[in-house]
Amino acid sequence: ETGVTQTPRHLVMGMTNKKSLKCEQHLGHNAMYWYKQSAKKPLELMFVYNFKEQTENNSVPSRFSPECPNSSHLFLHLHTLQPEDSALYLCASSLAGGEQFFGPGTRLTVL
Amino acid sequence: GQQVMQIPQYQHVQEGEDFTTYCNSSTTLSNIQWYKQRPGGHPVFLIQLVKSGEVKKQKRLTFQFGEAKKNSSLHITATQTTDVGTYFCADGSSNTGKLIFGQGTTLQVKP
Repeated sequence: ETGVTQTPRHLVMGMTNKKSLKCEQHLGHNAMYWYKQSAKKPLELMFVYNFKEQTENNSVPSRFSPECPNSSHLFLHLHTLQPEDSALYLCASSLAGGEQFFGPGTRLTVL
Repeated sequence: GQQVMQIPQYQHVQEGEDFTTYCNSSTTLSNIQWYKQRPGGHPVFLIQLVKSGEVKKQKRLTFQFGEAKKNSSLHITATQTTDVGTYFCADGSSNTGKLIFGQGTTLQVKP
């Protein structure tokens, strides 16, 4: 256990569905991250939030919409996804510039 | 854009043999971090290197940061089956806290 939790752990959705991934940390960290991990591109940074403000958007398609209501919670809202979006979505948190603590990930399958 | 190249992509060794993975950047890095991801797991922080020429050891693992701070290596002495997994290096130079990960080296250890 790293202190970073993610729900759900597995998700199967159709291309027309809307779903959300949730990440929570109570480590007192001020930065939170979303990564996509697939067989083709091992660890791709998607978004970075520092003190609830988005500081990085790594050219992510608009069908992925992040939300960070406070420093402990991070969401990734999904809508009209494509099959190629199937991957492991990892959340991480850190104190600025320090080691990152990863959650267990959500295994997403888009049918 | 920024890239961190990591080689080899895969390595199969006999238990007891040594293993090394290399990380190279075209730009000078302010720091480099190493992570390990077990099969089915999530990345776990191993170490951070900051100083030019720095060498750090953790039991059978030796981490090195090049003199020019453009390359790094992880060496495992006398591998064990518990060393199986993917090892990632990551460029931690950004002031937003984001990490740029290498492609990873997947280590298989035959007992």
